[in-house]
Amino acid sequence: GDSVTQMEGPVTLSEEAFLTINCTYTATGYPSLFWYVQYPGEGLQLLLKATKADDKGSNKGFEATYRKETTSFHLEKGSVQVSDSAVYFCALVDQGAQKLVFGQGTRLTINP
Amino acid sequence: NAGVTQTPKFQVLKTGQSMTLQCAQDMNHNSMYWYRQDPGMGLRLIYYSASEGTTDKGEVPNGYNVSRLNKREFSLRLESAAPSQTSVYFCASSEELAQFFGPGTRLTVL
Repeated sequence: GDSVTQMEGPVTLSEEAFLTINCTYTATGYPSLFWYVQYPGEGLQLLLKATKADDKGSNKGFEATYRKETTSFHLEKGSVQVSDSAVYFCALVDQGAQKLVFGQGTRLTINP
Repeated sequence: NAGVTQTPKFQVLKTGQSMTLQCAQDMNHNSMYWYRQDPGMGLRLIYYSASEGTTDKGEVPNGYNVSRLNKREFSLRLESAAPSQTSVYFCASSEELAQFFGPGTRLTVL
């Protein structure tokens, strides 16, 4: 079945550091890919998405590119802030399906 | 525009008790979902409803029932709560691909 694998956390960085959170997927069809963010005590919020190969999703300084050849959708940000501290989830929806498949989440902590 | 709302925010039950978690959305979405979130396991789908009047099992449906009351509301019922159902429960709705989540219900079963 479909699956998503994220780099294990927790990840701790200093403010203004470069961020990469790795995400790879397995899917039978041509999935759409998502990054969700969960701030402490809140529900998940959609951060960005990409629906086809080579698409780049971007939002709030975060970017991720849909790489079909490596089945990856890595999340990047050039300069993180303390307010970016949260749990980040990579997810996919396979073509024709309606159900999201989530990775296990990566906890990110940014120190001032 | 409140998005997805859930009640209650917190609940403590004793083993064997029953309760219903409520969810409502005001975005006129057709599809709605119930997830549970446990440490180190991400989110797992319990049930979903692709449209009013239909429901389907997800990855972990045992011990739960759902009702899609109308287009806005999708409730999750625990008939006889067990400690293994201690978790944070999230409701979500979607139109097309992206899902929008409620704030969650933190449930503890003693």
